[in-house]
Amino acid sequence: NAGVTQTPKFQVLKTGQSMTLQCAQDMNHNSMYWYRQDPGMGLRLIYYSASEGTTDKGEVPNGYNVSRLNKREFSLRLESAAPSQTSVYFCASPGLSNTGELFFGEGSRLTVL
Amino acid sequence: GENVEQHPSTLSVQEGDSAVIKCTYSDSASNYFPWYKQELGKGPQLIIDIRSNVGEKKDQRIAVTLNKTAKHFSLHITETQPEDSAVYFCAASIGSNYQLIWGAGTKLIIKP
Repeated sequence: NAGVTQTPKFQVLKTGQSMTLQCAQDMNHNSMYWYRQDPGMGLRLIYYSASEGTTDKGEVPNGYNVSRLNKREFSLRLESAAPSQTSVYFCASPGLSNTGELFFGEGSRLTVL
Repeated sequence: GENVEQHPSTLSVQEGDSAVIKCTYSDSASNYFPWYKQELGKGPQLIIDIRSNVGEKKDQRIAVTLNKTAKHFSLHITETQPEDSAVYFCAASIGSNYQLIWGAGTKLIIKP
């Protein structure tokens, strides 16, 4: 089945630790996105990748890095985690119908102590 | 910067009644307006969308209306059912590449 898969689902970090969130999509679309979701603030775009080999900053890129490893995979890295990065992270990609619809993974809940 | 305002933040309605959620956007170039439903522990899922060349769109119990002059759009759910309980997000397109700016969300509670 078509979809977006992200790992891990849950992670607890200490301030200053690093980690990478992984995302893979099997819809064969060029574009992929990383969002963060905080209470009362909706979804905010961290980084996106319009095609393999390209990445661009979104609204809230500070403290994050991304890698578009190939067409399927787009990873998000926190080099030195801070409590302000406690959030739920979602990866998304459009479907091949190009209607505008975004398909989301189930989310990665990150807590930074 | 560009933004989308969404109201109310919480909406409680009796089962069977209608629910209306409203959004206002600021970017006059926005031309695509989706609504997503998010259930607990899941990612958002598209339930309906509308483009700027259309004023209204319906899909069974769900409808969206768009007023481009006033820069606002609304989600209407009729004959609400318990499974409609969720958080609903509106969004508006900005720029290219499927980029969206999102409202803060509305928690819809359906009372039995």
